Amino acid sequence: EAGVTQFPSHSVIEKGQTVTLRCDPISGHDNLYWYRRVMGKEIKFLLHFVKESKQDESGMPNNRFLAERTGGTYSTLKVQPAELEDSGVYFCASSKFGGGPGGGANVLTFGAGSRLTVL
Amino acid sequence: GNSVTQMEGPVTLSEEAFLTINCTYTATGYPSLFWYVQYPGEGLQLLLKATKADDKGSNKGFEATYRKETTSFHLEKGSVQVSDSAVYFCALQIYNQGGKLIFGQGTELSVKP
Repeated sequence: EAGVTQFPSHSVIEKGQTVTLRCDPISGHDNLYWYRRVMGKEIKFLLHFVKESKQDESGMPNNRFLAERTGGTYSTLKVQPAELEDSGVYFCASSKFGGGPGGGANVLTFGAGSRLTVL
Repeated sequence: GNSVTQMEGPVTLSEEAFLTINCTYTATGYPSLFWYVQYPGEGLQLLLKATKADDKGSNKGFEATYRKETTSFHLEKGSVQVSDSAVYFCALQIYNQGGKLIFGQGTELSVKP
């Protein structure tokens, strides 16, 4: 099966501009997650979709970030306007829900990431 | 809250050396534990996982044992290769919290010939 696809792989923009990142999850995966890694720090959760609904957006840093998943298939993450501190690698992941304690974990499959550089 | 702490890198080893990357966690619920790896120029890949106490995850010669008493999930490999050079991330996932992962800061490993 095809994996999680993200594009662009690298985007360089100036402060104040807009960038839209796209993620195509594995077909049939209802769960889609966005994460970000900034400057060698930990990978931080941004938000979680179940189909087209936002299940958890507690990690979104501010209202300059807008995520959508129309139709429950691919997702976009828009940053508008971009700031210097938004630079980093944005990862998308998808999964089917797994079991609970003692059973299977919910294994996330990640894309290769989109590197964003804001100058 | 829930968090993961990894040993700081970078870690530099000679080929065939023994590897340990420490990982400890704090969790309010019952976590599953994971190690993900990012090879140069690639995305995150699941390396191994464990879902309950005393479980041992293993893959590609790497092992990690879920130690509830010490809240640890240390990654080990008996003999590293140059091809193991990568960034390693420890992560936890709490049951019934949407499946999201909480990551440590990553440990960069460099293996020299």
